[in-house]
Amino acid sequence: AQSVTQLGSHVSVSEGALVLLRCNYSSSVPPYLFWYVQYPNQGLQLLLKYTSAATLVKGINGFEAEFKKSETSFHLTKPSAHMSDAAEYFCAAMNSGGYQKVTFGIGTKLQVIP
Amino acid sequence: DADVTQTPRNRITKTGKRIMLECSQTKGHDRMYWYRQDPGLGLRLIYYSFDVKDINKGEISDGYSVSRQAQAKFSLSLESAIPNQTALYFCATSDGAGGRAQYFGPGTRLLVL
Repeated sequence: AQSVTQLGSHVSVSEGALVLLRCNYSSSVPPYLFWYVQYPNQGLQLLLKYTSAATLVKGINGFEAEFKKSETSFHLTKPSAHMSDAAEYFCAAMNSGGYQKVTFGIGTKLQVIP
Repeated sequence: DADVTQTPRNRITKTGKRIMLECSQTKGHDRMYWYRQDPGLGLRLIYYSFDVKDINKGEISDGYSVSRQAQAKFSLSLESAIPNQTALYFCATSDGAGGRAQYFGPGTRLLVL
């Protein structure tokens, strides 16, 4: 069964510092991959997605993620953290065939320190 | 107006009560989903529906039931609420095409006493 691992349930960065949130998936067939962001008291919003068109994916708010098949990873990065980036981030994988089941990671809470 | 709406946004109920959470969407999507979110566990799928006549159990369906009243409406019921069903519940939709993202409602925070 597909699984998604997010390393670090809490990550703290200083404002202006690099943001790196890690995500690894387990699948012999590369799935579709997503990063979602959840702000307090809100639902999840799509940040970006990988659907095999390009390995480096750019999303909203300056975030990007790189798909690395050899490492089964899809880490999320942003060069310079902003206070408004404080939120919880979820990585998700969707099977590319059949029912297209979506599996979510447990989430990473990002704290931005002024 | 929001594309995916959920009512109520907050609910407190007592053990043994039956409650219904409602979800409506204006995105025209065929697929609808119910998830629950618990701290440290991420999102877990309760039920999903690919169209009005197609409803399927997710990974944690015990104690829950659903109804797809129309393409735009998908309700989740807790037949007899218990405290470990205290959680944040999300409805989501997608259009089913390969690799399409899901669109989430704002969530319903449920407390079962």
